[in-house]
Amino acid sequence: DQQVKQNSPSLSVQEGRISILNCDYTNSMFDYFLWYKKYPAEGPTFLISISSIKDKNEDGRFTVFLNKSAKHLSLHIVPSQPGDSAVYFCAASDNAGNMLTFGGGTRLMVKP
Amino acid sequence: DTEVTQTPKHLVMGMTNKKSLKCEQHMGHRAMYWYKQKAKKPPELMFVYSYEKLSINESVPSRFSPECPNSSLLNLHLHALQPEDSALYLCASRSTLDGITLHFGNGTRLTVT
Repeated sequence: DQQVKQNSPSLSVQEGRISILNCDYTNSMFDYFLWYKKYPAEGPTFLISISSIKDKNEDGRFTVFLNKSAKHLSLHIVPSQPGDSAVYFCAASDNAGNMLTFGGGTRLMVKP
Repeated sequence: DTEVTQTPKHLVMGMTNKKSLKCEQHMGHRAMYWYKQKAKKPPELMFVYSYEKLSINESVPSRFSPECPNSSLLNLHLHALQPEDSALYLCASRSTLDGITLHFGNGTRLTVT
């Protein structure tokens, strides 16, 4: 049973527009959520995180929103750039931090 | 320095070979991880070392044998692998700032023939 799900395997967006990537989770014990970006032949790169005590965290062009009651989070990228084209993984952890549970990933393609 | 270094980048081995994957970090992180990633799938946790002791083994077959010689190094010894073990093997270390965020290396692309 997947505890972290990314229901859109791919997303295509025009350069300069907003990219919205979604993630749902089922485990109420998850307390901390992260987004990673992965280029081919590289390891995942940490992008941004959010604790369950917040509903929004912003870092430059990247904003993560958390809706605890809906067990849903989203990553907004504004404005999207061609260099943002990659696979984005949502991940979740309990507050012990022993392990991250990853979603299946969403491939983002930003068209010039 | 937020780098996790993995060697080799690519490895091709036969089913009777013995090989090792290496991982190194100098960020002072005290927890290190091995993940396995197949194509179009998320990373799957294999092992966690905390303060140089194995704390989590996700029921990984014994043909994979982890070792943590010191707080900066993590090895994965491979023996008698199967073709289905071909994958990207990722090492990560856990940040001491938030105790949650993992920093990943670029992985070793393993092909078992």
